[in-house]
Amino acid sequence: AQSVTQLDSHVSVSEGTPVLLRCNYSSSYSPSLFWYVQHPNKGLQLLLKYTSAATLVKGINGFEAEFKKSETSFHLTKPSAHMSDAAEYFCGIGRTYKYIFGTGTRLKVLA
Amino acid sequence: DVKVTQSSRYLVKRTGEKVFLECVQDMDHENMFWYRQDPGLGLRLIYFSYDVKMKEKGDIPEGYSVSREKKERFSLILESASTNQTSMYLCASSSLLRASLRYEQYFGPGTRLTVT
Repeated sequence: AQSVTQLDSHVSVSEGTPVLLRCNYSSSYSPSLFWYVQHPNKGLQLLLKYTSAATLVKGINGFEAEFKKSETSFHLTKPSAHMSDAAEYFCGIGRTYKYIFGTGTRLKVLA
Repeated sequence: DVKVTQSSRYLVKRTGEKVFLECVQDMDHENMFWYRQDPGLGLRLIYFSYDVKMKEKGDIPEGYSVSREKKERFSLILESASTNQTSMYLCASSSLLRASLRYEQYFGPGTRLTVT
């Protein structure tokens, strides 16, 4: 069975400070892992994905994530938050047709 | 630019009505998906299709049906809408044929359905 747990439902950071959004997963096989972002009233946009290549994955808009098999984690980071990063972020696990998403983390960026 | 479009952004229907949500993708993807998104529950898979006329139930298929008569189009049908089907509905597509894009899902903008 697969599962995804996003450890924080809400995260607030000040503009210019680092962002950390946490995601743990459970899978009986080597998964593909994703982070998606959803801005208000929009669909989901892929930020980055891990598919068994390099464990440090760079995505769009300065985000990156590190796959840590020993910790079953895939946390999303960004060195410096921007106001435009305010959105909801979803971690996901997938293979072939089956995708599981976390319940989302809403990121608030304070001026 | 790849695109997944959904027929309506906002929809208001009455209890008992038959509701059609349409999704079209222009990427020649084999796979298409319907999710519903609710606060605190994330995305839950309703149905998916891996080929024309083929469909598989997802995690919450009750009260829904789907149709895929053409590769680019995937319809979600609420046979008799109920208030507990008020939600955001997201369509997505993906392909297994190109290794670099494998497992990536492309999402439409969503349809916010309200059933009164």
